[in-house]
Amino acid sequence: AQSVTQLDSQVPVFEEAPVELRCNYSSSVSVYLFWYVQYPNQGLQLLLKYLSGSTLVESINGFEAEFNKSQTSFHLRKPSVHISDTAEYFCAVSDGPGSGGYQKVTFGIGTKLQVIP
Amino acid sequence: DAGITQSPRHKVTETGTPVTLRCHQTENHRYMYWYRQDPGHGLRLIHYSYGVKDTDKGEVSDGYSVSRSKTEDFLLTLESATSSQTSVYFCAISESQGVPGYGYTFGSGTRLTVV
Repeated sequence: AQSVTQLDSQVPVFEEAPVELRCNYSSSVSVYLFWYVQYPNQGLQLLLKYLSGSTLVESINGFEAEFNKSQTSFHLRKPSVHISDTAEYFCAVSDGPGSGGYQKVTFGIGTKLQVIP
Repeated sequence: DAGITQSPRHKVTETGTPVTLRCHQTENHRYMYWYRQDPGHGLRLIHYSYGVKDTDKGEVSDGYSVSRSKTEDFLLTLESATSSQTSVYFCAISESQGVPGYGYTFGSGTRLTVV
């Protein structure tokens, strides 16, 4: 069975400071890992994903995440945050398609990033 | 989000009444999902569909039913709404067809309040 733990429910950080949002997962097989972002009153948007290959993945808006298999982690980082990064961030894990091709995805409970001016 | 719309966006209903939420996609994706989002629980899967008339239960399916008569529409029905079903409901689609990792595209959500 797969599961995701997001260790911090809220993370306040000053504008232009670095931030790390932590995510640990458990799975018995190879995994695919995702970070989604949810802005207020909106649905979730895919921020970045790890499928295979390079363990460091980047998004177009400066976030990056590193897949660490030995520590079963997929922490999200940004070296300098902006006010517009204020949102809730969800880590998710999938162990690939099951019967019928259904891709089971398990989400963490979310981390609210509050950027302080 | 482009390609996927949910209706209504907000609804208040009384306990015991039936409620139907609609998800419509224009992406021709095979897979569609209904999630509910609650504080402290994140997103939990209610039901999903892997094709027309092909649906299955998720982890919190009690009290919910779904139907998919066309590729583009996935309906979620609360047969007799209860206060515990007050939540924000999200529809999602994915194009995974045996190749994982595409990720989901989410709708904007329906905020349902049962009074």
